[in-house]
Amino acid sequence: EAGVTQFPSHSVIEKGQTVTLRCDPISGHDNLYWYRRVMGKEIKFLLHFVKESKQDESGMPNNRFLAERTGGTYSTLKVQPAELEDSGVYFCASSPQLGETQYFGPGTRLLVL
Amino acid sequence: KQEVTQIPAALSVPEGENLVLNCSFTDSAIYNLQWFRQDPGKGLTSLLLIQSSQREQTSGRLNASLDKSSGRSTLYIAASQPGDSATYLCAADKNDMRFGAGTRLTVKP
Repeated sequence: EAGVTQFPSHSVIEKGQTVTLRCDPISGHDNLYWYRRVMGKEIKFLLHFVKESKQDESGMPNNRFLAERTGGTYSTLKVQPAELEDSGVYFCASSPQLGETQYFGPGTRLLVL
Repeated sequence: KQEVTQIPAALSVPEGENLVLNCSFTDSAIYNLQWFRQDPGKGLTSLLLIQSSQREQTSGRLNASLDKSSGRSTLYIAASQPGDSATYLCAADKNDMRFGAGTRLTVKP
């Protein structure tokens, strides 16, 4: 069974540009989560989808971040315009039900110059 | 707001030692407590998941305990090996998952 996949694995962009990260959860997992780890800090929750609905987006830092999960399958996280402090590793995770094990993807390493 | 703390921040031990990593959390109303390892440049690997109704979980040389009432979890690694070198993260799950900052473990041959 394929695990959670994320694309791209790395992205280097200039400040002010737009980047879109993609996450493909494990098939059949209704719950999809986005997290990020900014350099030197702990991993922080960004938001949680249940199917195509945003269950909790309390961790989204500001309105430059937009997450979607059309059709309840894969999800995208767009950063527009990117700022230097957005650099970090963005993780996606999925789980079948709330409270069950979350399976993490390998992460996307974003560097904003 | 849930806060998760991990002690120590870094740990270096000789191969073969048994060791304990500590995790504390402020809100005991959690679904579960999960331990992960992160290798440099890689994603997160789930090690053990302890449901809120459980006291401990074991997998090979790893044993994790959970004391909800005191807001603590420990990860015990027996007979450490150089391949255990990584950053270990704990996360408390209640609606969303709150991570600690991690313990960076180095096991020297």
